[in-house]
Amino acid sequence: NAGVTQTPKFRVLKTGQSMTLLCAQDMNHEYMYWYRQDPGMGLRLIHYSVGEGTTAKGEVPDGYNVSRLKKQNFLLGLESAAPSQTSVYFCASSWGPLTEQYFGPGTRLTVT
Amino acid sequence: GQQVMQIPQYQHVQEGEDFTTYCNSSTTLSNIQWYKQRPGGHPVFLIQLVKSGEVKKQKRLTFQFGEAKKNSSLHITATQTTDVGTYFCALGYQKVTFGTGTKLQVIP
Repeated sequence: NAGVTQTPKFRVLKTGQSMTLLCAQDMNHEYMYWYRQDPGMGLRLIHYSVGEGTTAKGEVPDGYNVSRLKKQNFLLGLESAAPSQTSVYFCASSWGPLTEQYFGPGTRLTVT
Repeated sequence: GQQVMQIPQYQHVQEGEDFTTYCNSSTTLSNIQWYKQRPGGHPVFLIQLVKSGEVKKQKRLTFQFGEAKKNSSLHITATQTTDVGTYFCALGYQKVTFGTGTKLQVIP
């Protein structure tokens, strides 16, 4: 039972490059979330999903796209990376609203 | 969206001293959650409060939800070095908002 896993753990991109971050959970959770964490800013919600095939915008969605084709996976895409997207990205999942979120270990992304 | 203020931003305490962090919202909340993030780690769920005036305890940690459901506090009695980390409150039904966190440093 791995919980929530994220790949990759680290990545360095050049400005303008694209990439996809993968989040997988094996707890059969309905809800999944993508956050970014910057120093002094706490966690900010990028996008979230309330079930397979659904996605919704969070607090800071610009520059990111997501997909939830399978219940266990939630993908976060950066089409054209910018230095402002340098951050630590966390994925989380939960049974539903008002339930505890389980976080993955994070992906440290640097855009130069 | 919902605005949540968390204070203080940083706190240094001597081991054995108490510690409190506060979370304040501009709107009435349906619930509030608390998470702890160790340095270099990921957030880990501590507790959820849903009722007005609710108080819950976990060993040395005491969590409180305000009567008006607009604020919450986390109090740690007799801090230990294992309490080091950043404590976040989180609120929201589907679109979850995290506070900016309180970073706790415990001096042995």
